[in-house]
Amino acid sequence: DGGITQSPKYLFRKEGQNVTLSCEQNLNHDAMYWYRQDPGQGLRLIYYSQIVNDFQKGDIAEGYSVSREKKESFPLTVTSAQKNPTAFYLCASSMDRTNGNEQFFGPGTRLTVL
Amino acid sequence: GNSVTQMEGPVTLSEEAFLTINCTYTATGYPSLFWYVQYPGEGLQLLLKATKADDKGSNKGFEATYRKETTSFHLEKGSVQVSDSAVYFCALSDSNYQLIWGAGTKLIIKP
Repeated sequence: DGGITQSPKYLFRKEGQNVTLSCEQNLNHDAMYWYRQDPGQGLRLIYYSQIVNDFQKGDIAEGYSVSREKKESFPLTVTSAQKNPTAFYLCASSMDRTNGNEQFFGPGTRLTVL
Repeated sequence: GNSVTQMEGPVTLSEEAFLTINCTYTATGYPSLFWYVQYPGEGLQLLLKATKADDKGSNKGFEATYRKETTSFHLEKGSVQVSDSAVYFCALSDSNYQLIWGAGTKLIIKP
């Protein structure tokens, strides 16, 4: 089955530690995205990538880093510089840059900082 | 800049009631418009979309019509079920092909 997988589903981190969230897609999509969702809030864009080996900052990139070495994979690292990292993280992908092209979402990773 | 405004929730209805969730937008050009649904603890799923004025998107009994004259894309369903309880997000695709999101509207359906 084609889709987007995120792992782990739940992640606990101690303050001061970096942690990496996995996102993999087998949809052959060019573009991938990372969003952050806080309780009762909408989605905020962290980073996006429209092609392998290229990515752009979104609205709240500070304290996060990404890589796009393979088309299928777009891991997100939450660094110790992120002041309030506890949130629900969603990865998405879309086929290409055409307007009207919807994004497909993974099931999310819930990160809790202890 | 581009923006999406949704009615605040939660919206609480009884089963079989008629549903409307309002969504209005501000955008230059001709964006595509989307409704996504998020069930508790899950990612988002595309519910329906419309890519040009007067288009009607529909899926699972939900409908929304792209109204350029009123810059609106209201979500409607004739008879809701308990299983429709979720958070609904309106979004538009801007000229940079990013999705601009509304804040989400929580829908609660009581039996």
